[in-house]
This record gives sequence, C-alpha cells and structure tokens, in this order.
Amino acid sequence: AQSVSQHNHHVILSEAASLELGCNYSYGGTVNLFWYVQYPGQHLQLLLKYFSGDPLVKGIKGFEAEFIKSKFSFNLRKPSVQWSDTAEYFCAVGTGGGADGLTFGKGTHLIIQP
Amino acid sequence: ETGVTQSPTHLIKTRGQQVTLRCSSQSGHNTVSWYQQALGQGPQFIFQYYREEENGRGNFPPRFSGLQFPNYSSELNVNALELDDSALYLCASSFDIGKNIQYFGAGTRLSVL
Repeated sequence: AQSVSQHNHHVILSEAASLELGCNYSYGGTVNLFWYVQYPGQHLQLLLKYFSGDPLVKGIKGFEAEFIKSKFSFNLRKPSVQWSDTAEYFCAVGTGGGADGLTFGKGTHLIIQP
Repeated sequence: ETGVTQSPTHLIKTRGQQVTLRCSSQSGHNTVSWYQQALGQGPQFIFQYYREEENGRGNFPPRFSGLQFPNYSSELNVNALELDDSALYLCASSFDIGKNIQYFGAGTRLSVL
C-alpha cells in the first residue's frame, strides 16, 4: 500500500518569505499527485495536480510543485507568501486507475505572520 | 465554491448507535468517494462508488457501508458506532475515475459519546 509523508507539520513564515513544503510518497508504480489546501473554516480545495509530462506544474494563487521521480517527491513551492496563504496543506497520491481513492499525508499547518 | 454538498454539518451520537450521512455530488460527476478525517490527520479513504457499485475500499470494517443512487447522490452508513468513529467525514466527487481529481464537500462532523 502506498503512503505519503509530509515533513513539516507546522510552519511559521513572515509575509514575502519563500515557501517550500516537502512531500514524499512510497509507491513503485505510476502515480497521480495532488496538493490540496484547506483554509480556516472551508472545504478542501485542489491547489495543483500532476499526471504526466512536465514535472514542474503550476497551480492557483502562485503555487507550483515539482515532481522528482527518482526521489519520490512532490514538493510545493511559492516564491513569496501572503497572509491569506495561512491554511492547512495536504499532499495526496492516487494510484491504480483511481479505485483506491487518494492517500493523504498528515498535512502541514502553515501560519503566515503579517 | 464546491458543488458537493453534505448533510448534516454536525451530528452527535452515542456508542452503539447507527448513523447515515448524505452527500450530493457535483453535477456531471459519476464517482463518489468517502473519507474519514480524524483531528490533526489527513483524510483516510473509506470507499468509492462508481455508477452505483462499490469499486474500491480502504482499510475500514464492514460496519462502514454506502450507497450511490441513480442521481449520483450518496450515503455513508456506520453501524455500531465506536468512540473512535468521532471524526470529520468528507465526501468527494469526480468525473474521471482514472485521474481521480476529487472535489470535496465541507464535511459532516460526527461526535460519538
């Protein structure tokens, strides 16, 4: 069974700082990779996704992620964070044609200080 | 704004009781998945329905069961509730089962006393 590991459970940054959240997965086959964000009091929203092709994918709100197959990683980045980026971020992996659902990491709680 | 709606938003039950949670999928989506999110954890996959048939299941006991209706709305049923079943239950719908891009509802917060 696949698993997802997010290295940082809590991250505190100042506005305009750069962000990188780590995500590693364990699965030997083809994967679909996702980052979801959950703003306070809101539902999970899709931030970006990777299926194939260019390993650098761009999402909403200036976020991007890079898939490094040899490292089984899919790290999330943003060059300059804003206070409104305060949220919970989840990395997720899909496999097996979709019938196994998504496997999520435990999440990273990001706090941006003004 | 997601097109996935869940009801109720909050629910309190006692141990041993049964509960039914409901989900209305986003228009055009034929696949629905259910997840359990315990406090401080990521969502855990319970099962998935595609065209009214269960076609995938996570590591949850049989007392977790579901239904998907012809209009693609769905139910999650949990029998013989245990204290550890207290969690946020999320419904997600998708239109492409292969790629598994899932759109989540706001969830139902279940408390078991």
